[in-house]
Amino acid sequence: AQSVTQPDIHITVSEGASLELRCNYSYGATPYLFWYVQSPGQGLQLLLKYFSGDTLVQGIKGFEAEFKRSQSSFNLRKPSVHWSDAAEYFCAVGAGQAGTALIFGKGTTLSVSS
Amino acid sequence: GAVVSQHPSWVICKSGTSVKIECRSLDFQATTMFWYRQFPKQSLMLMATSNEGSKATYEQGVEKDKFLINHASLTLSTLTVTSAHPEDSSFYICSALTGRGGHQHEQYFGPGTRLTVT
Repeated sequence: AQSVTQPDIHITVSEGASLELRCNYSYGATPYLFWYVQSPGQGLQLLLKYFSGDTLVQGIKGFEAEFKRSQSSFNLRKPSVHWSDAAEYFCAVGAGQAGTALIFGKGTTLSVSS
Repeated sequence: GAVVSQHPSWVICKSGTSVKIECRSLDFQATTMFWYRQFPKQSLMLMATSNEGSKATYEQGVEKDKFLINHASLTLSTLTVTSAHPEDSSFYICSALTGRGGHQHEQYFGPGTRLTVT
């Protein structure tokens, strides 16, 4: 069965510092991988996705993620964090067949300190 | 980009009453929509898959008679919480699947509906 693990429940980063949020998935074939951000009381905004091809994916707001099949990981990175990046971040995986629902990780709360 | 709306965004109802939540795809047709539930500070859990013109498929543990889903058109799916109780209070989020252009089968999420049952 598919599953997503986000090992870090809460991370605090200083403004301007770099960020890496970890995500590990379990799926037999090549998965569809996503990162979403959610601000308090809001819906989900897609940051980036990986379907195939280049394993380094660029997203919105200066985020990128790298798919590493050997490590079953899809970690999210940002070189310089802004205070407005404070939010909840969810990694999600979809089955190899397109058109299925997503399985979400438990999320990582990002706090940004000044 | 594709836009999905939900209505209402926030609703309070009394225990025992029913509440209907609408999910609309505004600029595309969606044969498939998904309904998720999110408890405070937790992840999204899939409740059901809604397919236009057919019965919804519910995840294990989700009561289909309590959470009625109707997907009567290609742009509208509704979730009705029947005989709501305080434990049904949650954030309900829908998503719609699009297969257009270069974004084959990408999900677009609605802004969510916060239900509070008193």
